[in-house]
Amino acid sequence: SQQGEEDPQALSIQEGENATMNCSYKTSINNLQWYRQNSGRGLVHLILIRSNEREKHSGRLRVTLDTSKKSSSLLITASRAADTASYFCATVGSSNTGKLIFGQGTTLQVKP
Amino acid sequence: NAGVTQTPKFQVLKTGQSMTLQCAQDMNHNSMYWYRQDPGMGLRLIYYSASEGTTDKGEVPNGYNVSRLNKREFSLRLESAAPSQTSVYFCASRGSASGNTIYFGEGSWLTVV
Repeated sequence: SQQGEEDPQALSIQEGENATMNCSYKTSINNLQWYRQNSGRGLVHLILIRSNEREKHSGRLRVTLDTSKKSSSLLITASRAADTASYFCATVGSSNTGKLIFGQGTTLQVKP
Repeated sequence: NAGVTQTPKFQVLKTGQSMTLQCAQDMNHNSMYWYRQDPGMGLRLIYYSASEGTTDKGEVPNGYNVSRLNKREFSLRLESAAPSQTSVYFCASRGSASGNTIYFGEGSWLTVV
């Protein structure tokens, strides 16, 4: 069974608005990662947050992690049309074997 | 530096045929992975190889076999293809230098008719 569930499944916003995507997971983790996938392409790593971290920033991206609630959120600020893509969270278990288990993803559409 | 390279990019198979998806990485990574992606299902791990000479089952291994030929190459074999194996397949790799970041290939679109 999959580890993560993402919410919402689809999100449509106007350029310049902020986009927030949420991810919940089931088991204890070593870290949680967010990936982006453009249509018809492979996944690209965006950001990693470790289990002992609560917030991380990278450019227009802000990720939070709440291990007590087993949830994470990805915020994209000042969105651009080029941000249109699917976004996936993925977790590495606390045993850190390297297995990355993905959620189902959020499809983001940013309208120009 | 090509990263992770998968072949073929597109393939149509008849039910019962066999085929092998090839994957190679040039980043000297120890770990390699095969995922499949289906609409609304995200990515599901089929098999992974933590290091050369080792392979382990993931979430959905049935109907597949893998070979870690050497450190660079990790192949995925469908012995008797079924329509349920119609999917997009992604190979990925991870190395100690990259931390926990995984690098993906561009995908292989497989249709079984």
